[in-house]
Amino acid sequence: GNSVTQMEGPVTLSEEAFLTINCTYTATGYPSLFWYVQYPGEGLQLLLKATKADDKGSNKGFEATYRKETTSFHLEKGSVQVSDSAVYFCALSENDYKLSFGAGTTVTVRA
Amino acid sequence: DTGVSQDPRHKITKRGQNVTFRCDPISEHNRLYWYRQTLGQGPEFLTYFQNEAQLEKSRLLSDRFSAERPKGSFSTLEIQRTEQGDSAMYLCASSLGDPSYEQYFGPGTRLTVT
Repeated sequence: GNSVTQMEGPVTLSEEAFLTINCTYTATGYPSLFWYVQYPGEGLQLLLKATKADDKGSNKGFEATYRKETTSFHLEKGSVQVSDSAVYFCALSENDYKLSFGAGTTVTVRA
Repeated sequence: DTGVSQDPRHKITKRGQNVTFRCDPISEHNRLYWYRQTLGQGPEFLTYFQNEAQLEKSRLLSDRFSAERPKGSFSTLEIQRTEQGDSAMYLCASSLGDPSYEQYFGPGTRLTVT
């Protein structure tokens, strides 16, 4: 079946530091890949997505590249801000309705 | 567009009681999804609707769980004879449908079974 494994947290960084959250997946076909973010007290929001190999998703300074050869979709941001403190979820979908999520990584950015 | 709303936000119930949660999707969205999230885990898919039709149900959705979307607008998720293992956050999401399947999530209903 499909599964997503992401880097365990929590991750604590200083403002302007570089952030990487690793995500690898197992799928039987060619899934679409997503990063969702959950800010404190809010619902899950789509951060970025990629639908085929070598696609790069980007949003709000975050980037992730769909790597089929390593079955990975690592999330990166070059300079984090306190406002980036949140829980980040990697997810995949092989159809147009079911998302399979990783366990989430809590990121805290200190001023 | 007021987003996906869920009611109640929190529910505490005793084991064996029945509970019902409501989800109101974004108004023009014809797809609605239910997920369950336990502590320290990501959301797990439970079921989804295309308009009023329930098209897929996860094995996680035991016989004690039932979901409805009678008029293709709001949806309810009922859990009968609750068990402590049902304690979780229940998330609702909606999407427009073809060609846009991006899911927009509500804030969730946190269920605690004592």
